[in-house]
Amino acid sequence: EGQLEESGGGLVQPGRSLRLSCAASGFTFKDYAMHWVRQAPGKGLEWVSSISWNSDIRDYADSVRGRFTISRDNAKKSFYLEMNRLSAEDTALYYCAKDRVGGSLDAFDMWGRGTMVTVSA
Amino acid sequence: DIQMTQSPSSLSASVGDRVTITCRASQSISIYLNWYQQKPGKAPNLLIYAASNLQSGVPSRFSGSGSGTDFTLTITTLQPEDFATYYCQQSYSGHGFTFGPGTKVAIK
Repeated sequence: EGQLEESGGGLVQPGRSLRLSCAASGFTFKDYAMHWVRQAPGKGLEWVSSISWNSDIRDYADSVRGRFTISRDNAKKSFYLEMNRLSAEDTALYYCAKDRVGGSLDAFDMWGRGTMVTVSA
Repeated sequence: DIQMTQSPSSLSASVGDRVTITCRASQSISIYLNWYQQKPGKAPNLLIYAASNLQSGVPSRFSGSGSGTDFTLTITTLQPEDFATYYCQQSYSGHGFTFGPGTKVAIK
């Protein structure tokens, strides 16, 4: 049974940066696209960013494009979300998720528990 | 960008009821539509992928249908553990993975 574990969340001032990490175990990490999804308190799910298995495809929601950068390290079985110029609207629980199909961008079949990011002065 | 809508936004139902949730895309997405269930304080769980395919381990009372712009999630006989919020998600190539706003299924 695979597992994903997020880390790196916390309280950060507006305009500052934060880097989230997601560590994977229990599956062949290098074969799968990975994703970040966030959920503001009391709100719905918002897709944030995705990265293909080989990092060739990186996609972002309009709300974060140009501020957030997704990356991965297949040797470390981890991927990351570098978040810059943070604002209060970025306050959310950030989930990492695994794609269902190796080599594809399809559906999210495994999720972490999330790491909370709070942007406040 | 592809926008997703869901109806209703919430509903009340009883154990044993048949429940149908509708999801609509702002443009055709073929069958690239997924459904998730989320319970309070928990991460989402994939129920249906590619419009009508049941994810492994998901009970057969859940089913999905549709193509193009209109999709439905049906729970044939609602169980106590099914009270949750349900989200649709489009996965049409090159257009990100937009989620719908969610449908909360509550106990009547």
